Amino acid sequence: SQQGEEDPQALSIQEGENATMNCSYKTSINNLQWYRQNSGRGLVHLILIRSNEREKHSGRLRVTLDTSKKSSSLLITASRAADTASYFCATDPGTASKLTFGTGTRLQVTL
Amino acid sequence: DTGVSQDPRHKITKRGQNVTFRCDPISEHNRLYWYRQTLGQGPEFLTYFQNEAQLEKSRLLSDRFSAERPKGSFSTLEIQRTEQGDSAMYLCASSLGDPSYGYTFGSGTRLTVV
Repeated sequence: SQQGEEDPQALSIQEGENATMNCSYKTSINNLQWYRQNSGRGLVHLILIRSNEREKHSGRLRVTLDTSKKSSSLLITASRAADTASYFCATDPGTASKLTFGTGTRLQVTL
Repeated sequence: DTGVSQDPRHKITKRGQNVTFRCDPISEHNRLYWYRQTLGQGPEFLTYFQNEAQLEKSRLLSDRFSAERPKGSFSTLEIQRTEQGDSAMYLCASSLGDPSYGYTFGSGTRLTVV
């Protein structure tokens, strides 16, 4: 079953704008990960944030984590058409036994 | 080693037939996972292996599903007596088993049962 929800379900922006997507989850976690999936393809790992971290950056990506609210956000700055994809958050309880994914946000970046 | 490989990429089968998918993980990864993804949804966990041992199976994995990882290298996922509800993308992933690192996913096998 899905761990939680992502919001919004779909997002359409113009190239150069920032995109923010949110993820909520239900149980305790060791870390939370974000993945990108292009249409009909596998998932690509983007960034991992541990439960004792509040914010993390990687290139144009910024992830925040609020364990008290069981929520995370992914910010993509200066978006490009190539960022068009579905984005999923996934939680790891810490045993590396399995990830539990959210429902995903479909991002469309137009020229 | 270029990543996780899955074969075939696409499979169309008639209802009631058996199908088998293969996954070749990154060679130094000792953990291998299978997920299923239906249209518009996130991937759902099916099962995972540490080396050759199958350590956990989801209740989604009915008796018609079986997975193996002989010798702790590649893995196969077999579905017997396929049903239309089995139509989905089947994703394989591997990891080092350290929760500090992400998982590497293959491109998936898309199964269509007609």
